[in-house]
Amino acid sequence: NAGVTQTPKFRVLKTGQSMTLLCAQDMNHEYMYWYRQDPGMGLRLIHYSVGEGTTAKGEVPDGYNVSRLKKQNFLLGLESAAPSQTSVYFCASSLLTGTVRSSNYGYTFGSGTRLTVV
Amino acid sequence: GQQLNQSPQSMFIQEGEDVSMNCTSSSIFNTWLWYKQDPGEGPVLLIALYKAGELTSNGRLTAQFGITRKDSFLNISASIPSDVGIYFCAGSRAAGTASKLTFGTGTRLQVTL
Repeated sequence: NAGVTQTPKFRVLKTGQSMTLLCAQDMNHEYMYWYRQDPGMGLRLIHYSVGEGTTAKGEVPDGYNVSRLKKQNFLLGLESAAPSQTSVYFCASSLLTGTVRSSNYGYTFGSGTRLTVV
Repeated sequence: GQQLNQSPQSMFIQEGEDVSMNCTSSSIFNTWLWYKQDPGEGPVLLIALYKAGELTSNGRLTAQFGITRKDSFLNISASIPSDVGIYFCAGSRAAGTASKLTFGTGTRLQVTL
């Protein structure tokens, strides 16, 4: 099972360039999330989706847009990249509901995309 | 935004030692989880807790859901080199689900032989 797959794994952008990060999951999860990870800051939620066609803002949404046209895919877009967006980006997915004791409880994370904006 | 504070930020220990770390919040969470992140990978779920006062084990790992619902603790017994990584706590205000988790700042663990 692939789980959650993120592409690309690494990318260097120039300030002002745009790009899209792709997240795909094959577990039929309803919820999908985009987080960014910065040193000493932990994981901060950018945007999330509770189902196909719906998205919502998280803690740090500015400068990012998302789309969930298909249940299995969640795209994160940077329209005009800035150096402050240099970070490691993680996508995750989860079931809408689930018992704590079940093995599929909680988030499943992708392996991350390391983005550098110069 | 809401953040969970983890302590310590980092620690060096010797193989075989026990490890303790904690996570505190200024507000209540109804579900607590602990994740481990290996270098270059995404976090992986270790333990989930859903009831105040609950104590749950997963092998050498034991986690507790604080009575006040504002904190949680993780203990690792007899550490081994593969325990190296960053440990994150996470909380959810929803009970029984893991939606919109808030993550802690992480505890970096390094184990020396």
